[in-house]
Amino acid sequence: AQKITQTQPGMFVQEKEAVTLDCTYDTSDPSYGLFWYKQPSSGEMIFLIYQGSYDQQNATEGRYSLNFQKARKSANLVISASQLGDSAMYFCAMRESRGTDKLIFGTGTRLQVFP
Amino acid sequence: EAGVAQSPRYKIIEKRQSVAFWCNPISGHATLYWYQQILGQGPKLLIQFQNNGVVDDSQLPKDRFSAERLKGVDSTLKIQPAKLEDSAVYLCASSLSGLAGPRITDTQYFGPGTRLTVL
Repeated sequence: AQKITQTQPGMFVQEKEAVTLDCTYDTSDPSYGLFWYKQPSSGEMIFLIYQGSYDQQNATEGRYSLNFQKARKSANLVISASQLGDSAMYFCAMRESRGTDKLIFGTGTRLQVFP
Repeated sequence: EAGVAQSPRYKIIEKRQSVAFWCNPISGHATLYWYQQILGQGPKLLIQFQNNGVVDDSQLPKDRFSAERLKGVDSTLKIQPAKLEDSAVYLCASSLSGLAGPRITDTQYFGPGTRLTVL
């Protein structure tokens, strides 16, 4: 069974500092995709970054990068130069290549950025 | 490009009442998803449509929940009758998908959600 684990219920970071949000996953499928979403208090899930299991390089999107360690089955999100607007819930999700393509989400990490 | 639209944004009902949610996906997106997000948890898939056909409804409580996607565009999710445990945010998402169906790289784009409170 596939599973996503986010062990940090909450994280604090000072503005302009970098922060790492942890995500580990469990799957027996060799082909899978990993996603990170941001959910502000307004409720909308905002796509941030994607990493494929066969991608050779770690994904980057602006201030977001994904520290993908396949052997450890971890896909941590790194946010550089944190901004006050980064305060939100962050969800890690996985999709396998076989079966349906539904996303399986973790329980999320609440990030709070302070001045 | 317009995003995924949902309405209403908020709904408060009493248990045993009925409620319906509407979703309009991003134009051209073949796959549509309904997720339920209970407070403190990540979203959980209720049903997935590929065009107007159901791909996965294994976690949809079919005794009370129903969904349809007529004409392969917008979709309606209904709860009848509602229970207290149905209080949650209902998120609609869509993805582009290929002719053979969703691909592992397809990003799902979410709407703002409908926050349902059942009293």
